[in-house]
Amino acid sequence: DIQMTQSPSSLSASVGDRVTITCQASQDISNYLNWYQQKPGKAPKLLIYDASNLETGVPSRFSGSGSGTDFTFTISSLQPEDIATYYCQQYDNLPPFFGPGTKVDIK
Amino acid sequence: QVQLVESGGGLVKPGGSLRLSCAASGFTFSDYYMSWIRQAPGKGLEWVSYISSSGSTIYYADSVKGRFTISRDNAKNSLYLQMNSLRAEDTAVYYCARDRGIAAAGFDYWGQGTLVTVSS
Repeated sequence: DIQMTQSPSSLSASVGDRVTITCQASQDISNYLNWYQQKPGKAPKLLIYDASNLETGVPSRFSGSGSGTDFTFTISSLQPEDIATYYCQQYDNLPPFFGPGTKVDIK
Repeated sequence: QVQLVESGGGLVKPGGSLRLSCAASGFTFSDYYMSWIRQAPGKGLEWVSYISSSGSTIYYADSVKGRFTISRDNAKNSLYLQMNSLRAEDTAVYYCARDRGIAAAGFDYWGQGTLVTVSS
């Protein structure tokens, strides 16, 4: 199984700050990585697919990069509505493990 | 618009059974792989199972293999999860999700979830 790690597990930032989350796979997964946003009490929402492609309708302040084992998710200018937990998910191999999540809140 | 609506959750005793349903609308259900994904209270996301568009290919997480059965009825635009021999650790919100590709390539639409509580 391919295990996923994320860091940090949580962070606090100010509105307008640049926020970066990293995700690491236990083996090479090429670009088979997605990023999701989950707000409290809500279902997750797909933001980024194939490591760097923005899902339709997702604001351009969200971006993703990376390939192989190391990936980065960035919010270029944090907004109050971005308060959520963010998960990466690999789909190179089954089962499609999710990372443990990164909780983002406002300082 | 795409809608996925889960139902069937509830309180069940350890060892009991429950059948979850997911009603799909707003897209051609028979064209898409579908998955069940769960989230224990206060925990992260755990993929449970997927089924191919025709129903011919199915895969389970090791944690549920042999106890859970995924199925679909394309004529009824519905996805199901039969859960047997339930354990306390199966307590979670269960989401159905549409796969954007094949074999859990990414989940682009999710239902609101249904809570399953396994407790005596």
